[in-house]
Amino acid sequence: GQQLNQSPQSMFIQEGEDVSMNCTSSSIFNTWLWYKQDPGEGPVLLIALYKAGELTSNGRLTAQFGITRKDSFLNISASIPSDVGIYFCAGIRSTFTGANSKLTFGKGITLSVRP
Amino acid sequence: ETGVTQSPTHLIKTRGQQVTLRCSSQSGHNTVSWYQQALGQGPQFIFQYYREEENGRGNFPPRFSGLQFPNYSSELNVNALELDDSALYLCASSPGLAENTGELFFGEGSRLTVL
Repeated sequence: GQQLNQSPQSMFIQEGEDVSMNCTSSSIFNTWLWYKQDPGEGPVLLIALYKAGELTSNGRLTAQFGITRKDSFLNISASIPSDVGIYFCAGIRSTFTGANSKLTFGKGITLSVRP
Repeated sequence: ETGVTQSPTHLIKTRGQQVTLRCSSQSGHNTVSWYQQALGQGPQFIFQYYREEENGRGNFPPRFSGLQFPNYSSELNVNALELDDSALYLCASSPGLAENTGELFFGEGSRLTVL
């Protein structure tokens, strides 16, 4: 079953607002990733984090890899209508190259942006 | 650069039947993984193929099987379909195990409905 916890299930914000999403786990993950899925599409990678404590930005997106390796957050600043979609956190347990890249996904958070 | 393509996009089967889903990986990618995404859930790892061999499997019964071909395209086969197999089946490709960054390139998925 799912081992990454994301809540709430849905978030509603006003265009221009910032929003923050959290992802937690009872287990350690050595890579954390954030994906976005639009309707009728597959997930697309937004940000990848490889080191505990790492803070990474990609345009208006900022994500952090928690020090305990059991959590991560994603922040979206100055939201726009095209930010609408489902945001998934995902983790990889393995620490070495050559291992399969089995991703464990959270249930996702559906973001709605009101104009 | 050609992205990941999947076929068919939608299909309906009845309980007990068998289904084959197909995936062409992104150009230059030799690793393919398959995920099952039930409604309202995050994707769940089924298995991964690297150089035509299964390289990691999630918590799915043996009636879920796969193949990878020399051109790196892949098939997912599900036998003895059950109602709970109704889901979006996502194929994802990645450059290779040596470059295991966790970034997966997903196709749009095949939506399977089992009646």
